[in-house]
Amino acid sequence: GNSVTQMEGPVTLSEEAFLTINCTYTATGYPSLFWYVQYPGEGLQLLLKATKADDKGSNKGFEATYRKETTSFHLEKGSVQVSDSAVYFCAPTQGGSEKLVFGKGTKLTVNP
Amino acid sequence: SQTIHQWPATLVQPVGSPLSLECTVEGTSNPNLYWYRQAAGRGLQLLFYSVGIGQISSEVPQNLSASRPQDRQFILSSKKLLLSDSGFYLCASTGGGNTEAFFGQGTRLTVV
Repeated sequence: GNSVTQMEGPVTLSEEAFLTINCTYTATGYPSLFWYVQYPGEGLQLLLKATKADDKGSNKGFEATYRKETTSFHLEKGSVQVSDSAVYFCAPTQGGSEKLVFGKGTKLTVNP
Repeated sequence: SQTIHQWPATLVQPVGSPLSLECTVEGTSNPNLYWYRQAAGRGLQLLFYSVGIGQISSEVPQNLSASRPQDRQFILSSKKLLLSDSGFYLCASTGGGNTEAFFGQGTRLTVV
């Protein structure tokens, strides 16, 4: 089955700092790759995704590139904001009967 | 896209009491359904997943059980709650294929 190794936090940054959260995965096939974000007290919601090698997903200034050769999908943002404070989860998904697994989550706190 | 209805949002139950959390899905058919528990506001522990009506896979031996009586209904239950059952419970759905997961808003369970 799939598995995910995600950089553990917590991560604390000042506003406008550069963010990287590392994520590597193992999968038996060719998964799509997702980053989800969870704001306090809520469920997870999709942040961005990439469906094949070398694709770049992007949303709200965040980016991640599907690197098949290194089995990685690192999340980056050039200039974080206080409103980006949340927990971020990486997840490969293959569908079918493959169960949905997540990284352990990385808590990001951005200070003004 | 899918909509996940999960209720109640908050629940306080005494030790030894029963539990029933319900999750229903709109916008797809034959989804894969999941129950997660999240402790300490970070990691997601997969409790149960289901690929079809009446098909339940349990990930962790515990005091909980799950049932899927209808295609888009997933229920998490316990006959007698323990203090250690406290946590934030999330229902999720994937529509099959390499698609994104949709989450309910979660249930905060406190066992007292």
